[in-house]
Formats: sequence, C-alpha cells, structure tokens
Amino acid sequence: KAGVTQTPRYLIKTRGQQVTLSCSPISGHRSVSWYQQTPGQGLQFLFEYFSETQRNKGNFPGRFSGRQFSNSRSEMNVSTLELGDSALYLCASSLGAVLGTEAFFGQGTRLTVV
Amino acid sequence: GQQLNQSPQSMFIQEGEDVSMNCTSSSIFNTWLWYKQDPGEGPVLLIALYKAGELTSNGRLTAQFGITRKDSFLNISASIPSDVGIYFCAGQGITGNTPLVFGKGTRLSVIA
Repeated sequence: KAGVTQTPRYLIKTRGQQVTLSCSPISGHRSVSWYQQTPGQGLQFLFEYFSETQRNKGNFPGRFSGRQFSNSRSEMNVSTLELGDSALYLCASSLGAVLGTEAFFGQGTRLTVV
Repeated sequence: GQQLNQSPQSMFIQEGEDVSMNCTSSSIFNTWLWYKQDPGEGPVLLIALYKAGELTSNGRLTAQFGITRKDSFLNISASIPSDVGIYFCAGQGITGNTPLVFGKGTRLSVIA
C-alpha cells in the first residue's frame, strides 16, 4: 500500500511569488492535515481537510490556503511568499473518523524562499 | 498554539544504553502518538496509545499512556546507531476533531 506522497520534494521561490504544494494521501484515507516545520517552532498545524471541507485551521495568515479534491488529494497554496515561509511542509493523512488519530506523514516539501 | 512539553531536548548516549524520554501536557489527551524523524524526511509513526495506563511495545521501543492522561513516555532499549534522529510525541485532546498537538522533539545521538 503506497504511503503519503508529496510533490515536489524541493522548491526554491522568490519573495512575493506564490507556490502550490501537493499531497496524495494513503488510499482510503479521507483526512489530510498540513504542518509547517521549522527548527525554532517545531511542527505547527496549518489546516486539516476532510471530505473536501476544511475541518480545522491553525493560526496562520490568510496567505496560506488549501483545498481537497474528491479523490482526497490535497493542495496547499502560499501566496506572496516571505523569507520566513522557508520551511519543511509536511502533510499527514489519516482515516479521518477521529481527527488526527494515527496520522501518517509524507516526506515533505522543502521550500526555500530567497 | 498549544504545545506539549517534551524532554529532554537532546541526548547523547553510548550504543547499547537504554533511553527514556517523556511528554507532559496541562490538558487531558485521548490519544498519544510517538514519531521518529530522520533528517530530510517526514516523521514515521512508531507507537500509538489510546487508553490511560496502556503500555505498548514495538521491538526495542516501549511507550506508555500515563494514568493521568496528561503524560506519556517512550523507552528505547539497547540503542543502536540507527536510532539516531528526532523523536516527537503528539497528543489529541478529548474534544472531538481537534488537531494533533506536537512536542518540540528529542534529538537522540548514539555514540558507537
């Protein structure tokens, strides 16, 4: 059974640009959560989608947005990139019956903003 | 947002030694999860705990869900070089559909 797949693995963008990251969850999983990981702040929750609806949102500005498609694949978008957005972005999938239980992570997308 | 207190932040041990790390929270959790993250990779789920007092093993790893439901610990016995990495605890609160809360991690280094 394939794991969680995130694309791309690495990305370099310029300040002010926007970026879209993709996440394909484990087959049968309906919940996808996104996290930002930085050395100083650890894993910070961005948002969670379940059955194409945003179920929870973390404390991030509106420049961070996401969506989920009918096949449970999810994308997150960051607009007007800032240097501080440089981080490892991780998505995690779970069955979704109860949010967060046994979440399985992808390898992440390393975003560097220059 | 809410975070767990995970300790120690880092540890250096000799190969073969046992390791213990723990997480505490000010609020009650229904679920505790332990993950390991290697450099440049996503966290990998090691152990999931669902009941207060539950003790679960996965090979050389043993984790327990504290009876107060506010803490959990992870033990690694007879450490080996491939145990190197960052270990994270994560908990889910008792309110339905709340996101996982993560500790800041314990960085483990094993000296051969």
